[in-house]
Amino acid sequence: NAGVTQTPKFQVLKTGQSMTLQCAQDMNHNSMYWYRQDPGMGLRLIYYSASEGTTDKGEVPNGYNVSRLNKREFSLRLESAAPSQTSVYFCASSEKIQGAPPTHFGDGTRLSIL
Amino acid sequence: DQQVKQNSPSLSVQEGRISILNCDYTNSMFDYFLWYKKYPAEGPTFLISISSIKDKNEDGRFTVFLNKSAKHLSLHIVPSQPGDSAVYFCAATSYRGDDKIIFGKGTRLHILP
Repeated sequence: NAGVTQTPKFQVLKTGQSMTLQCAQDMNHNSMYWYRQDPGMGLRLIYYSASEGTTDKGEVPNGYNVSRLNKREFSLRLESAAPSQTSVYFCASSEKIQGAPPTHFGDGTRLSIL
Repeated sequence: DQQVKQNSPSLSVQEGRISILNCDYTNSMFDYFLWYKKYPAEGPTFLISISSIKDKNEDGRFTVFLNKSAKHLSLHIVPSQPGDSAVYFCAATSYRGDDKIIFGKGTRLHILP
């Protein structure tokens, strides 16, 4: 059982380049999330998807787009990368079941924008 | 506007003593609270949670206390062990509302030998 899988693990981009971060979960969860973690800022929610076919903005959505391709996959796209988007990106999935750990995280994608 | 606040960026505790990590929230819609532990170069892992219908939840060495009137929760670790050194994130969500899970900035816990 792989849980939440993110690809790639590392990436370096030049300013203005585009890129899609991939995320897949095998736990049949309805909800999926993209967070970014920056030093001193904790985990900030970029976008989330409560179910297949729906997406909503989180705390810091500017500069990003998302696509919930199916129940398993939730991708994050940077159309024109900027140095301010240098960060560690985490994908997560959850299910609102009482008593169960509601959120499982991937190991992160470390993205550097030069 | 920070909805989940962890005001202590770091905390050092002697091994064997109690570690107390604090968290405050502002959104009255939050009714489910979680603590996550994070090691460097790994994703956060779930530690313990509490529903707003309770004021305490215990799991082994970890206990979370919730004070709804003060909009405050705390995580107690007793006794503290070297493997507990990590960053701890407090998070909150609403089962009645949308699916957002909002995190605090984290507290780095150092367990001293």
